[in-house]
Amino acid sequence: EAQVTQNPRYLITVTGKKLTVTCSQNMNHEYMSWYRQDPGLGLRQIYYSMNVEVTDKGDVPEGYKVSRKEKRNFPLILESPSPNQTSLYFCASSLDRGSNIQYFGAGTRLSVL
Amino acid sequence: QKEVEQNSGPLSVPEGAIASLNCTYSDRGSQSFFWYRQYSGKSPELIMSIYSNGDKEDGRFTAQLNKASQYVSLLIRDSQPSDSATYLCAVTNAGNNRKLIWGLGTSLAVNP
Repeated sequence: EAQVTQNPRYLITVTGKKLTVTCSQNMNHEYMSWYRQDPGLGLRQIYYSMNVEVTDKGDVPEGYKVSRKEKRNFPLILESPSPNQTSLYFCASSLDRGSNIQYFGAGTRLSVL
Repeated sequence: QKEVEQNSGPLSVPEGAIASLNCTYSDRGSQSFFWYRQYSGKSPELIMSIYSNGDKEDGRFTAQLNKASQYVSLLIRDSQPSDSATYLCAVTNAGNNRKLIWGLGTSLAVNP
C-alpha cells in the first residue's frame, strides 16, 4: 500500500530536549516536505527536499533541521524545542515538485511544555 | 506575497443540497489548482485537481476554474454528513519555483 508514515503520532516533551520526527514514503517520490498546521494560520511549509541530499527552507524554518540521506526518509529534527513549536506536523511527498499532488502522512501532534 | 483566499465559514448546508466552496488567488500566472479535504485532526487528502479553464467532474464533485477572474470553486452535489470537513484550496505559483500556496480552508457542515 502506498503511504507516507510518520512517527510518533503524539509526543509530549519539555523545552530544550532534542527530538526527531521520522517520515518515510514507499512511493519512490522525489519531493518531500514538512508542514506545521496551527489554528488560524493554516498549513505552513517548514522545509522541503527536491531529492536526496537536496533540502531547502520553506516559510517557517527557524528552530528546525532536516536531512535527506535516502530517498524514502525525511526526518524533522528539533534541536531545542520551545513551546511555540507546539503544533500539528505533517510530512508530505509527491512525485516531483511540479506535479504537486501531495500525499500526506497521518500527522504528529507535538506539545512542548 | 502570493495569496490564496477562502471564506473560513462555517458553510452549513442541508443533506442532499449542493455545497459551493470558493477560492481566489492573486498570482495570475498560477497553473495548477487543487482541492484537499481535511477531517478534524486528520491529514489533508486530495479530492480534485484542475489545470485548465472550465469544469472538471468526478462523481459528486465538480471543480470549476476561471483564470481570467482568478478563482477556482468546488461544488459538492447531494451533500452527505460525511462531507463535513474543512476544504483546503491550494495553488501552484508561476515560474520555475512551482511552490504550492495554501488557503486557510473553508469549514463545511452538512446537516442531516
